[in-house]
Amino acid sequence: EAGVTQFPSHSVIEKGQTVTLRCDPISGHDNLYWYRRVMGKEIKFLLHFVKESKQDESGMPNNRFLAERTGGTYSTLKVQPAELEDSGVYFCASSKGDLREQYFGPGTRLTVT
Amino acid sequence: GQNIDQPTEMTATEGAIVQINCTYQTSGFNGLFWYQQHAGEAPTFLSYNVLDGLEEKGRFSSFLSRSKGYSYLLLKELQMKDSASYLCAACLRGSYIPTFGRGTSLIVHP
Repeated sequence: EAGVTQFPSHSVIEKGQTVTLRCDPISGHDNLYWYRRVMGKEIKFLLHFVKESKQDESGMPNNRFLAERTGGTYSTLKVQPAELEDSGVYFCASSKGDLREQYFGPGTRLTVT
Repeated sequence: GQNIDQPTEMTATEGAIVQINCTYQTSGFNGLFWYQQHAGEAPTFLSYNVLDGLEEKGRFSSFLSRSKGYSYLLLKELQMKDSASYLCAACLRGSYIPTFGRGTSLIVHP
């Protein structure tokens, strides 16, 4: 069974540009989560999808971040326009019925210069 | 709020036992996760404790004391491949969204 995949693995963009991160959850997992880890700090929750609906987006830092999960399969996280403080590793995770067992992807390392 | 505290770094010898502590301060508490993360890889689930006591899974065990806001991860018969970051994360009552600590980097040397 394939795990959670994320694309790209690395992205380097300039301040003011737009970047779109993609997450493909494990097949059949209705729950999809986005997290972020900025340098030297802890992993922080961004939002949670149940199928295509946003269940909890309390962790989204501001309106420059837009997450979508059309069709309830893969998800995208767009940052527009990117700022220097957006640099970090963005993790995606998915789970099936048991919300405790979240399977994480390898993350996308975003560097904004 | 939730303040998750764990040591930044620990070192241990191959074959030995190491205990990684985690304390949390939270107004409501559901349970506590431990994850392992190798450099550049995804965090992987190790354990989830809800009740007080020790839960054992092979070489890894996790302990929780709800009254003390304290947990530890115990690793026995250390192997070189156990060198990784170990993340403690607490969940508020009614939610399984983890709030993470900064992680403990464990270095296992021969």
